[in-house]
Amino acid sequence: GAVVSQHPSWVICKSGTSVKIECRSLDFQATTMFWYRQFPKQSLMLMATSNEGSKATYEQGVEKDKFLINHASLTLSTLTVTSAHPEDSSFYICSAPDRDDSLNEQFFGPGTRLTVL
Amino acid sequence: GENVEQHPSTLSVQEGDSAVIKCTYSDSASNYFPWYKQELGKRPQLIIDIRSNVGEKKDQRIAVTLNKTAKHFSLHITETQPEDSAVYFCAASRGSSASKIIFGSGTRLSIRP
Repeated sequence: GAVVSQHPSWVICKSGTSVKIECRSLDFQATTMFWYRQFPKQSLMLMATSNEGSKATYEQGVEKDKFLINHASLTLSTLTVTSAHPEDSSFYICSAPDRDDSLNEQFFGPGTRLTVL
Repeated sequence: GENVEQHPSTLSVQEGDSAVIKCTYSDSASNYFPWYKQELGKRPQLIIDIRSNVGEKKDQRIAVTLNKTAKHFSLHITETQPEDSAVYFCAASRGSSASKIIFGSGTRLSIRP
């Protein structure tokens, strides 16, 4: 099956610093990738849709200047959490559908656990 | 906006009994309904999905039903086993490669030995 990787798997940073998370489709191409955030014992909340070669689409209430998304190639999307604060501590997960798969099943990355001190 | 409601939030069943989780959705254009199982600290794992052109789908001990008129769909797990203990999420999507998936709030299923 299709594989999506994320890097890093976990990161601890100081308040006020920026953190970049990478999402890669390893064996397929993805024109669209999705970024989710999951707080403990809660559901996955969609943050934004990353579009290859164009601007990301953010969900209501998600600050685009704080969560920078870049989708420069068909296999890589990055999420940068700028000026991170403790309330940004969460589990960040990306997903991507295979653009050549008509079933449009989405494949999830393993997640990145961000802890902001 | 799009919304998916899921209940119950927690469910405890005796090993061997059946478990049922129910969801409703608001976006009438939704036509793809996946179910995910998530273990602590792991990514969601697709366990079964259904598309709007069918009303029921079964895979071994797992079955899903869909009522498009009422906008609700359900997950049925029969002959539950300890390894079925996890958090389960229903979701809805418009089904294209650019379509976002909206998740329900999740059900924590516990199987009592």
